[in-house]
Amino acid sequence: SQTIHQWPATLVQPVGSPLSLECTVEGTSNPNLYWYRQAAGRGLQLLFYSVGIGQISSEVPQNLSASRPQDRQFILSSKKLLLSDSGFYLCAWSEDSDQPQHFGDGTRLSIL
Amino acid sequence: RKEVEQDPGPFNVPEGATVAFNCTYSNSASQSFFWYRQDCRKEPKLLMSVYSSGNEDGRFTAQLNRASQYISLLIRDSKLSDSATYLCVVNYGQNFVFGPGTRLSVLP
Repeated sequence: SQTIHQWPATLVQPVGSPLSLECTVEGTSNPNLYWYRQAAGRGLQLLFYSVGIGQISSEVPQNLSASRPQDRQFILSSKKLLLSDSGFYLCAWSEDSDQPQHFGDGTRLSIL
Repeated sequence: RKEVEQDPGPFNVPEGATVAFNCTYSNSASQSFFWYRQDCRKEPKLLMSVYSSGNEDGRFTAQLNRASQYISLLIRDSKLSDSATYLCVVNYGQNFVFGPGTRLSVLP
């Protein structure tokens, strides 16, 4: 069966520091991969999605970037974090664009 | 108008009650539809897909009305464990749009 791993579970970072969140999927090949952010008490905001290695689509312009160096690995990065980057970051995968998405446990990021 | 709108909630219902959530979407090209539940400080989990003919999974019934661009979720015989936020999700092309969610609290 397919599993998705996302780490770390929580992270506290100072303003201006870099960020790297990693997500890996097991048990499937060539999945669609997604990064979302959820601010406290708010809905999910799609940040990036990828349909294949090296293919990244950005939904919201910001100081974040994403990369997919391997088929089942999706990385969210920032060179300099802002206070507004705080939130709950969720990675998800799906078999295809019209199939349900399945989420990792999420990373709760606090910027101080 | 937002792409996906849901009842604002919260819904506070006693155990055993029947509760219905509504969701409307604006893009008529939408292709697939889902309901997710999200527990506090947890990731969303797929509850059920929504099919044109309507579908049922135990105490949960989902219905889709494409003409009115409307989706519903009915929960019968509510349990304490049903307390969560319910997210309506609409998909078209590469876009997977989540509604803001409706919070449900089932009270003993």
